[in-house]
Amino acid sequence: KAGVTQTPRYLIKTRGQQVTLSCSPISGHRSVSWYQQTPGQGLQFLFEYFSETQRNKGNFPGRFSGRQFSNSRSEMNVSTLELGDSALYLCASSLAGLADLNSYNEQFFGPGTRLTVL
Amino acid sequence: AQKVTQAQTEISVVEKEDVTLDCVYETRDTTYYLFWYKQPPSGELVFLIRRNSFDEQNEISGRYSWNFQKSTSSFNFTITASQVVDSAVYFCALYGGTSYGKLTFGQGTILTVHP
Repeated sequence: KAGVTQTPRYLIKTRGQQVTLSCSPISGHRSVSWYQQTPGQGLQFLFEYFSETQRNKGNFPGRFSGRQFSNSRSEMNVSTLELGDSALYLCASSLAGLADLNSYNEQFFGPGTRLTVL
Repeated sequence: AQKVTQAQTEISVVEKEDVTLDCVYETRDTTYYLFWYKQPPSGELVFLIRRNSFDEQNEISGRYSWNFQKSTSSFNFTITASQVVDSAVYFCALYGGTSYGKLTFGQGTILTVHP
């Protein structure tokens, strides 16, 4: 069974540009979460999508957005890039939506996209 | 608000030593899950163990064991007979309530196992 895939793996952009990152979850998984990892702030939750609906959002500015398609693949977009957006962006997928803690499903993480903003 | 604290920033041990990674958490949820993830240099987070708030029984899985104590809000993780391949960053994480998809991570502990 293929794991979570993220494309591209590496990306270099300049300030002011926008970027789109892609995440393909494990087959059958319907929930996709996105995280930003930086040396200073650590791992921070961006948002979660389930069945094409955003159900949860972290404390990030509106420049960060995402969406999920009917096949559960997800994209996140960052507009007007800033130097501080340089980070490893991780996505994770799970079977269900973690709505029922009695049937929690682990999140499986992809290898990440390393974004460098110059 | 939820918070996870890993007080140990870096730990260095020699192969075959046992090592314990500390984790303290804060949550107002009565039902929650705790996790340990490993992040090798490749960057991918690898799930190791989980424990739910209903079950304080401590277990051993191979070289891994954990000590969950609700009274002190701690969820410590031990690697027995460490190996060089255990070198990685280890994260403790918390999921609770209706935090749809949101794991709250600690700052991570860098573990280096020397041969």
